[in-house]
Amino acid sequence: SQQGEEDPQALSIQEGENATMNCSYKTSINNLQWYRQNSGRGLVHLILIRSNEREKHSGRLRVTLDTSKKSSSLLITASRAADTASYFCARRTDPLFGNEKLTFGTGTRLTIIP
Amino acid sequence: NAGVTQTPKFRVLKTGQSMTLLCAQDMNHEYMYWYRQDPGMGLRLIHYSVGEGTTAKGEVPDGYNVSRLKKQNFLLGLESAAPSQTSVYFCASSSPSGGNTGELFFGEGSRLTVL
Repeated sequence: SQQGEEDPQALSIQEGENATMNCSYKTSINNLQWYRQNSGRGLVHLILIRSNEREKHSGRLRVTLDTSKKSSSLLITASRAADTASYFCARRTDPLFGNEKLTFGTGTRLTIIP
Repeated sequence: NAGVTQTPKFRVLKTGQSMTLLCAQDMNHEYMYWYRQDPGMGLRLIHYSVGEGTTAKGEVPDGYNVSRLKKQNFLLGLESAAPSQTSVYFCASSSPSGGNTGELFFGEGSRLTVL
């Protein structure tokens, strides 16, 4: 079974607006990663946040992590049409294998309206 | 570098047929994975390998076998395909997490339809 979920399942916003996606999980984590998947393509790694970090930035991406609530959020600022994709969070669920076994959620499908 | 390459990209099988999906990576990664992606289910781990000659079961291993005879290759086999195995299959690879982000590098996927 999945170890958590992203919400919302789908999100449509106007180009230029900010997009926020959330990820919840159930077990303790070492780190949490976000990936993007364009339609018909493989997943691409976006950003990683470690359990001892609360916020991380990369370009227009901002990720927060609240380990007490077992949740993370991904913020994309000043959205562009090219940001249209599905976004997945992934977390390590087996402490014996480091990052070697990641569990993915069901993803948020983001549509940017030009 | 090609990264992670999956073959074939598309395949249609009849129930009961067998086939093998091939994954090749040229990044000298120790770890390799096979996931399946179904609508509304996200990605689910089928099998994975932490090194040449090793394999381990993931979340949904039934009906699949794998082999890692060479470090750069990870094969996923279906011995007797069933309609429930209709899915998009993704291979991924990564380096060990120590001193590294442990991010996964994905192939472009193999779309399998079982009739």
